[in-house]
Amino acid sequence: DVKVTQSSRYLVKRTGEKVFLECVQDMDHENMFWYRQDPGLGLRLIYFSYDVKMKEKGDIPEGYSVSREKKERFSLILESASTNQTSMYLCASYGSTETYNEQFFGPGTRLTVL
Amino acid sequence: LAKTTQPISMDSYEGQEVNITCSHNNIATNDYITWYQQFPSQGPRFIIQGYKTKVTNEVASLFIPADRKSSTLSLPRVSLSDTAVYYCLVRPYTGGFKTIFGAGTRLFVKA
Repeated sequence: DVKVTQSSRYLVKRTGEKVFLECVQDMDHENMFWYRQDPGLGLRLIYFSYDVKMKEKGDIPEGYSVSREKKERFSLILESASTNQTSMYLCASYGSTETYNEQFFGPGTRLTVL
Repeated sequence: LAKTTQPISMDSYEGQEVNITCSHNNIATNDYITWYQQFPSQGPRFIIQGYKTKVTNEVASLFIPADRKSSTLSLPRVSLSDTAVYYCLVRPYTGGFKTIFGAGTRLFVKA
């Protein structure tokens, strides 16, 4: 079974703090993603990575950066957290099963910035 | 990337069949159609994927007409636990990295 884990389910930080969200997958997938999800807006892509040390901006990269030093780990960094970054953050990896190519999601991290 | 349009919400009763239709008028020749399900406070999970005609698995069926400009996810005999948000995605079978999720369809199953 593919497993994507995220370092925290719930996180509370203060405005201006540097925040690290960690994601680990155990299926040797090359492609990994960070999304944020807000009510009524679906999932919005922040960044994705198609290989170690490779990254591409998604639709809403402002205020975020990412790091992919190892294949299994993809980190999202909020350099200076702001209240408008309060959201659910979802990490995913992308790979093949016997039949399909699909994304596998982690459980999410609900971040609150005060 | 092909844009998808699906209803914002649907209501159903337990035991009924539910059909959720997704429009994707500018689907490309090498695009596949994939559906995900998301429960509250969880990440989305894959339900089904297809290219044309009909695909069925233990969870759902996916109907795709010949022009592929729409698709219909069919959930047989829904239960309360099928209450979730359902997302329709269109992307290439390989290399579909920049996956775009819309707002999805919120299905509410009533007793």
